[in-house]
Amino acid sequence: GAVVSQHPSWVICKSGTSVKIECRSLDFQATTMFWYRQFPKQSLMLMATSNEGSKATYEQGVEKDKFLINHASLTLSTLTVTSAHPEDSSFYICSARGAGGSSTEAFFGQGTRLTVV
Amino acid sequence: DAKTTQPPSMDCAEGRAANLPCNHSTISGNEYVYWYRQIHSQGPQYIIHGLKNNETNEMASLIITEDRKSSTLILPHATLRDTAVYYCIVRAPLSAGNMLTFGGGTRLMVKP
Repeated sequence: GAVVSQHPSWVICKSGTSVKIECRSLDFQATTMFWYRQFPKQSLMLMATSNEGSKATYEQGVEKDKFLINHASLTLSTLTVTSAHPEDSSFYICSARGAGGSSTEAFFGQGTRLTVV
Repeated sequence: DAKTTQPPSMDCAEGRAANLPCNHSTISGNEYVYWYRQIHSQGPQYIIHGLKNNETNEMASLIITEDRKSSTLILPHATLRDTAVYYCIVRAPLSAGNMLTFGGGTRLMVKP
């Protein structure tokens, strides 16, 4: 299957700092990328959807000024957690799909575990 | 997208078949059934998907009932590495940017 690479796989940062997470599609062009957040023992929750070259669409309750998403190319999307706080500690996962038709499956990165101390 | 219902957890003996059920009684005619799994602290992994017909690949088989209101994912010979949370998702092709909406999933524990 297609490969989606997410970096870093884990990060620890101090409260108040910003953290950038990268999501790359390695062998296909990702017209759409999705960012999810997962708290311990819970399911994945969609945060936002981004299409290459346009502004991201955020889910209700997700602060767009806090979670900055950039999808400047067909192979790279970034999520920046600004002014991180301990409650932002979570497992962040990106997903990407190409433009291959209606049933194209989405592929996921390996996730980034963010710990804010 | 239609909602799915899965048992929260299941056990399976190593080497035996694991049959994971999913109810999706409100599925629409153009919605596909997708299965993903998530091993602890990793991103979800695509397993299989189907629309009407039963499907099989190197990982699993997907059996969809004739009325499409339920499906079963079959892992023919479960191994310890198949221990994971399995998500059944139904999705329309052009709904809301094609994102996947995850429910609670089934936590499959494969035991020696």
